[in-house]
Amino acid sequence: SAVISQKPSRDICQRGTSLTIQCQVDSQVTMMFWYRQQPGQSLTLIATANQGSEATYESGFVIDKFPISRPNLTFSTLTVSNMSPEDSSIYLCSVSNISRNEQYFGPGTRLTVT
Amino acid sequence: GENVEQHPSTLSVQEGDSAVIKCTYSDSASNYFPWYKQELGKGPQLIIDIRSNVGEKKDQRIAVTLNKTAKHFSLHITETQPEDSAVYFCAASETSGTYKYIFGTGTRLKVLA
Repeated sequence: SAVISQKPSRDICQRGTSLTIQCQVDSQVTMMFWYRQQPGQSLTLIATANQGSEATYESGFVIDKFPISRPNLTFSTLTVSNMSPEDSSIYLCSVSNISRNEQYFGPGTRLTVT
Repeated sequence: GENVEQHPSTLSVQEGDSAVIKCTYSDSASNYFPWYKQELGKGPQLIIDIRSNVGEKKDQRIAVTLNKTAKHFSLHITETQPEDSAVYFCAASETSGTYKYIFGTGTRLKVLA
């Protein structure tokens, strides 16, 4: 399985500011995904990060609020823009190779918005 | 689209007993079903998975069974230990070619020493 790191591991941010979360993988992967996990809840897919093109967003998530970059096959960023307390969650990236269909998750970024 | 239901939401067992968590899915074309364990403060960890051409898979104390006709799959943990205490999530792959998963709502397992 791939080794996945996320930065920062946690942050406390002020309302109205933005935070960019980084996801780094130790090997090239086909697919990268970003999830949100609200306290005590399951995982909700935000978007699929596509290398070299715009991300594919799920219903209820928009690019202006959650811009995503994926410049290469090992790195992606998710920005949470104009934050409000409702954005307080764990943000997780996951990676997959389409030949296997298995997804592996990073350790998560714990975001608190005050 | 795919929908996944998971039961129970919480489960307490005595150390050494078995634990069973069940999930049902709606899309009969789904063909891949992973299980994840999430410990407090960590990301989900893939612990076992099963593909639709297999009915059962075992890995030491954990096993997964799949009933395609009934569209349900289960996680079985035998000889539970305190370190098995965590939240467990099932998932089913979407069949749209997007490689996305739909997750169940999670089961909080407590193993009582």
